[in-house]
Amino acid sequence: GESVGLHLPTLSVQEGDNSIINCAYSNSASDYFIWYKQESGKGPQFIIDIRSNMDKRQGQRVTVLLNKTVKHLSLQIAATQPGDSAVYFCAEGDSWGKFQFGAGTQVVVTP
Amino acid sequence: EAQVTQNPRYLITVTGKKLTVTCSQNMNHEYMSWYRQDPGLGLRQIYYSMNVEVTDKGDVPEGYKVSRKEKRNFPLILESPSPNQTSLYFCASREDRGNSPLHFGNGTRLTVT
Repeated sequence: GESVGLHLPTLSVQEGDNSIINCAYSNSASDYFIWYKQESGKGPQFIIDIRSNMDKRQGQRVTVLLNKTVKHLSLQIAATQPGDSAVYFCAEGDSWGKFQFGAGTQVVVTP
Repeated sequence: EAQVTQNPRYLITVTGKKLTVTCSQNMNHEYMSWYRQDPGLGLRQIYYSMNVEVTDKGDVPEGYKVSRKEKRNFPLILESPSPNQTSLYFCASREDRGNSPLHFGNGTRLTVT
């Protein structure tokens, strides 16, 4: 499949452990944030989103935390599984619906 | 199944030979957009469309054209491809409401020699 992970930071996680992926965003006016998962050869897949009036949101095995003070977003994956191996990237959106995307973090799950 | 479909998945062409990458979505989304993805960089927007017959430049529009004659289709046209347009391209769509996520196709790997 296509390689989109060249030169990306890598997070190695043991199967069963929790993963934390971080993202610093740049625009103070951004009010909507999304985490995407991209597996080799596939398009980005929506994981979870959060609006700027929230600081935490939980999904199935995933939690997104938003710290607007320091413009930081994180994705926590509980009990990481081999199928979680992928590139993860964040997106910040403004009120016009325009998004800026991070380059991503390669997550490698080891048995 | 709700999806964004791009074709072709892989394309190898030569400099200057016009090509079109098709994109279709079946979710009745008003908004559609094209991005390119290059190693170590985030997705960069090429063009977007808020609705039929409405298109606007994104961050890297040079060398590309788009059209939006129907709601479901948003083709990307390279009139005279150059090697610096070798990239992985993604089409995406979303609902036309605040705070709605983009839904992406599976990508088109373009190589221009």
